[in-house]
Amino acid sequence: GQNIDQPTEMTATEGAIVQINCTYQTSGFNGLFWYQQHAGEAPTFLSYNVLDGLEEKGRFSSFLSRSKGYSYLLLKELQMKDSASYLCAFSDSNYQLIWGAGTKLIIKP
Amino acid sequence: EAQVTQNPRYLITVTGKKLTVTCSQNMNHEYMSWYRQDPGLGLRQIYYSMNVEVTDKGDVPEGYKVSRKEKRNFPLILESPSPNQTSLYFCASSTFRGSQPQHFGDGTRLSIL
Repeated sequence: GQNIDQPTEMTATEGAIVQINCTYQTSGFNGLFWYQQHAGEAPTFLSYNVLDGLEEKGRFSSFLSRSKGYSYLLLKELQMKDSASYLCAFSDSNYQLIWGAGTKLIIKP
Repeated sequence: EAQVTQNPRYLITVTGKKLTVTCSQNMNHEYMSWYRQDPGLGLRQIYYSMNVEVTDKGDVPEGYKVSRKEKRNFPLILESPSPNQTSLYFCASSTFRGSQPQHFGDGTRLSIL
């Protein structure tokens, strides 16, 4: 079967670093996406990893290990506006997206 | 501006009264999709379309219909809405399914009484 898992909620401090993990199980894999979703708003695309390794985009980085079925999103120099839910989703063998339930990130001053 | 436009943004209606949520994209995307989002469950796909006149069921299609007569439009139809369809709905589009980022509409918050 296929499944995907991420923590329900995390708390971090403004200015700090936080890592949001996502683990998945699937027999076919065509990449993993991260999206950011502020409360009541639409998800917006952050990153797409199809090969192993770390990809950096400003304060945000995303890592993938296909052999371990594991990804993480790393947020540096946290700002209050980073308070949001972070959704991971992998693309299966049919290019169908399987979504995690999202991690709500709370930033405290 | 590249965008996906959904209407209405909010709707409160009653059980059994047919409704349509419209979705339009201006990016010439082939792939379009409808999701519902409920607390603790994440995004669940209702229907998707790979191209004009090509639609297929997602994970939770019961009680919904869609059509794709034109590339830019992908309306979601609830023929006989029920309270368990109260949810936040998103339309999304992308160039290709599953290998390109999806662009989401602003969402439609639907309440069925």
